[in-house]
Amino acid sequence: DAGVIQSPRHEVTEMGQEVTLRCKPISGHNSLFWYRQTMMRGLELLIYFNNNVPIDDSGMPEDRFSAKMPNASFSTLKIQPSEPRDSAVYFCASTLDWGTDTQYFGPGTRLTVL
Amino acid sequence: AQSVSQHNHHVILSEAASLELGCNYSYGGTVNLFWYVQYPGQHLQLLLKYFSGDPLVKGIKGFEAEFIKSKFSFNLRKPSVQWSDTAEYFCAVTGFQKLVFGTGTRLLVSP
Repeated sequence: DAGVIQSPRHEVTEMGQEVTLRCKPISGHNSLFWYRQTMMRGLELLIYFNNNVPIDDSGMPEDRFSAKMPNASFSTLKIQPSEPRDSAVYFCASTLDWGTDTQYFGPGTRLTVL
Repeated sequence: AQSVSQHNHHVILSEAASLELGCNYSYGGTVNLFWYVQYPGQHLQLLLKYFSGDPLVKGIKGFEAEFIKSKFSFNLRKPSVQWSDTAEYFCAVTGFQKLVFGTGTRLLVSP
């Protein structure tokens, strides 16, 4: 298996632009997680899905952030409009069992908002 | 609310020194416990995990961790670190249908 796939790996954009991050989980995994990692705040859980349904989005920082999972093999995290403080590495992870099992992380998307 | 504490934010060791990284959690129910490692520029990878059974868990690359239920702890250990162990280490705990990560410990091993 190729593991969790994320694209793009790097994104540089200007403030105010829309940013879309993409994730393909491991085939057969039922749950998908979006994390944000910064030096200041560490690793933060933004949102997670189980069987394509959002379960907990309490970590989504603002209305500018939205996430979708239209099917079991694809998810997007969108920021509109983007701001410099959104600069971070965004990780996607998937797992067989949302509550208890090992999470497998993607390589991350490094986002820089100028 | 469930929380995970990693007391050491930064640790600097020389090669061959012994390592112990602390992890404590606050959740009274049944938990599953994990240690993840993030090498420089890479994504998080599982180091080891505890679900049940022997509270002393062996992981990859010579790491081990001990679950002490009475202390709500799951400390990570390695008897002799190597330069290649330089990384950030995250403890994570599942409780109420959610995996919660600690803030991480940055380990620097000097050759």
